[in-house]
Amino acid sequence: DSGVTQTPKHLITATGQRVTLRCSPRSGDLSVYWYQQSLDQGLQFLIQYYNGEERAKGNILERFSAQQFPDLHSELNLSSLELGDSALYFCASSVTDYNEQFFGPGTRLTVL
Amino acid sequence: GQNIDQPTEMTATEGAIVQINCTYQTSGFNGLFWYQQHAGEAPTFLSYNVLDGLEEKGRFSSFLSRSKGYSYLLLKELQMKDSASYLCAVMDSNYQLIWGAGTKLIIKP
Repeated sequence: DSGVTQTPKHLITATGQRVTLRCSPRSGDLSVYWYQQSLDQGLQFLIQYYNGEERAKGNILERFSAQQFPDLHSELNLSSLELGDSALYFCASSVTDYNEQFFGPGTRLTVL
Repeated sequence: GQNIDQPTEMTATEGAIVQINCTYQTSGFNGLFWYQQHAGEAPTFLSYNVLDGLEEKGRFSSFLSRSKGYSYLLLKELQMKDSASYLCAVMDSNYQLIWGAGTKLIIKP
């Protein structure tokens, strides 16, 4: 158990819908990262927050947005969902930018 | 551009030794990480190298040569549970982690 929690574990929805994925980092970690991993693909970095502020952006679509709240938990919002958005979404946290990242168990999103 | 190269897939025998290589070209270097990921599960941190040389941790060791842009992960006394993907990731000058596509390791009895 990494100490990073993600909810929900599984999510099944339809094309065009909007969903919110939630992440709570390890106690004391200020950085939160979101990744997308499609079937048999590598990790795609989406976005990073540090202590409430957006720190870095990766290959995040305009239909996706995220935020980090004062209690440091983070949410990833996915809208106008398409079949290709079906993937595992991981949240990771670290103490600072340059420490190892610890990953949550992931949310498996299926878009039908 | 920034690039990390790892073999796509490797096969090894239970009880043997396997070396997974990683070469990188990044904008600056602030360390190299290895992660293990079992299918459908989250990546878990294995090792971190920032200076040249070998870091040993039980059955796993990781080596770094910064001048060659090269690292390897060495797994000894392979067990069936070591069947997983191994991800190499490099932290660049902006402290952004650049991820390789991963090496799928298949262990045969």
